[in-house]
Amino acid sequence: AQSVTQPDIHITVSEGASLELRCNYSYGATPYLFWYVQSPGQGLQLLLKYFSGDTLVQGIKGFEAEFKRSQSSFNLRKPSVHWSDAAEYFCAVAPPGGGGADGLTFGKGTHLIIQP
Amino acid sequence: EAGVAQSPRYKIIEKRQSVAFWCNPISGHATLYWYQQILGQGPKLLIQFQNNGVVDDSQLPKDRFSAERLKGVDSTLKIQPAKLEDSAVYLCASSRGASNTGELFFGEGSRLTVL
Repeated sequence: AQSVTQPDIHITVSEGASLELRCNYSYGATPYLFWYVQSPGQGLQLLLKYFSGDTLVQGIKGFEAEFKRSQSSFNLRKPSVHWSDAAEYFCAVAPPGGGGADGLTFGKGTHLIIQP
Repeated sequence: EAGVAQSPRYKIIEKRQSVAFWCNPISGHATLYWYQQILGQGPKLLIQFQNNGVVDDSQLPKDRFSAERLKGVDSTLKIQPAKLEDSAVYLCASSRGASNTGELFFGEGSRLTVL
C-alpha cells in the first residue's frame, strides 16, 4: 500500500531564512506527487505537483520542490520565508495515470512556525 | 468561480447520535471526494464519486458511514451512530474531470465533535 512520510512534525524558521520540508513516499511505481498548504480555518490549497519530466517543479507563493527517484523523496523548498507562510504543509501522492480511484494519500503534515 | 461549499461548519453531538454533512462542489466538477482529518493527522480519503457513481469507498466504515451524490452534483455524508473516534474535520473536495490532475479544490471543512 502506498504511504507518505513527513518526518518533521514541527519546524521553526526565522523570517527571511530558507526552508526545506521533507517528504518520502512508498509506492510501487512513481506516483503523482503533490504539496498542499492548509492555513488555520481554511481548506487545503495546492502549492505544486509533479507528474513527470523536469524533476524541479515550481509552484505558487515562491515554493519549489525536487523529485529524487533514488531517494523516493519530494522535498519542498523556499529560499526566503515570510510570516504569512506559517501553516500546515502536506505532502500527498496519487496513482499515476489518473482516472478511476485516484484519491490522494496524504502525509501527517509539517507545522511551520515563523519566528520574527 | 464559487468554491466548494460545506455545511455545517461546526457540529457537536453525543455518541450514538447521527449527523449529516453537506457539500456542494464547484460547478461542473465531475469528481467529488470526502476526506476525514483527525487532529494532528493528514486527511484520509473516505469516498470518491465520479458524477453520481461511487469510484472508491474502500476506506469508508460502512457500518456507520454512508454517502450519496444522487444527481451528480451536491453530496451528503452521514454518520449513524457516531462514536467518539469520529471527532474530526470532514473535508469535501472536487475536481474537474475523470483524470486526476491533482488540482483538487477543498472546502473549509465541517468540524465534528462527539461527546
